[in-house]
Amino acid sequence: SQQGEEDPQALSIQEGENATMNCSYKTSINNLQWYRQNSGRGLVHLILIRSNEREKHSGRLRVTLDTSKKSSSLLITASRAADTASYFCATDSYGQNFVFGPGTRLSVLP
Amino acid sequence: EAQVTQNPRYLITVTGKKLTVTCSQNMNHEYMSWYRQDPGLGLRQIYYSMNVEVTDKGDVPEGYKVSRKEKRNFPLILESPSPNQTSLYFCASSPLGGRSWGYTFGSGTRLTVV
Repeated sequence: SQQGEEDPQALSIQEGENATMNCSYKTSINNLQWYRQNSGRGLVHLILIRSNEREKHSGRLRVTLDTSKKSSSLLITASRAADTASYFCATDSYGQNFVFGPGTRLSVLP
Repeated sequence: EAQVTQNPRYLITVTGKKLTVTCSQNMNHEYMSWYRQDPGLGLRQIYYSMNVEVTDKGDVPEGYKVSRKEKRNFPLILESPSPNQTSLYFCASSPLGGRSWGYTFGSGTRLTVV
């Protein structure tokens, strides 16, 4: 069962620009997490935001959560070529297994 | 270094030949899980374990077995692999099932069943 759905599926930007990815989900959550995956490698945890939080920052990452709209966004500021990867949101909900969305493929062009 | 170690990284096998993919974590995490990743389908959970001797099915458990005899190890067993189990597999661990902390993933095992 897919809970989180990222949007867009793919995104290409120039180095230095900001990248925004969105995640929508269906049922109430305990927390929502964002992960990065470089091609064929393991996922790396980026940030966790709890259901009672609205915004979190970590370095060049900014995550927002709107529980009324059941959506979250991940903003990467001043993107670099090394940010090229797939980004996944994952939701933790009561009574459900931890569920990953299908991901957004980000390409940062030099 | 805190990590989840999977072996092997790559494996090509023939239909029906039993295999085991090992997973070990050195962070004393209670929760461990196996996922498979397929193009267009994202990550799907196969099995998970909340603690030693406690395992449960995820979304796609058919054709797989797991065991959790020790806290650090969570092997994935394919008793009779079939070509539809060709996939990229990830082991992950977390304290408390990821509810307060994120998951740490292994580097993945790319399995091809011919």
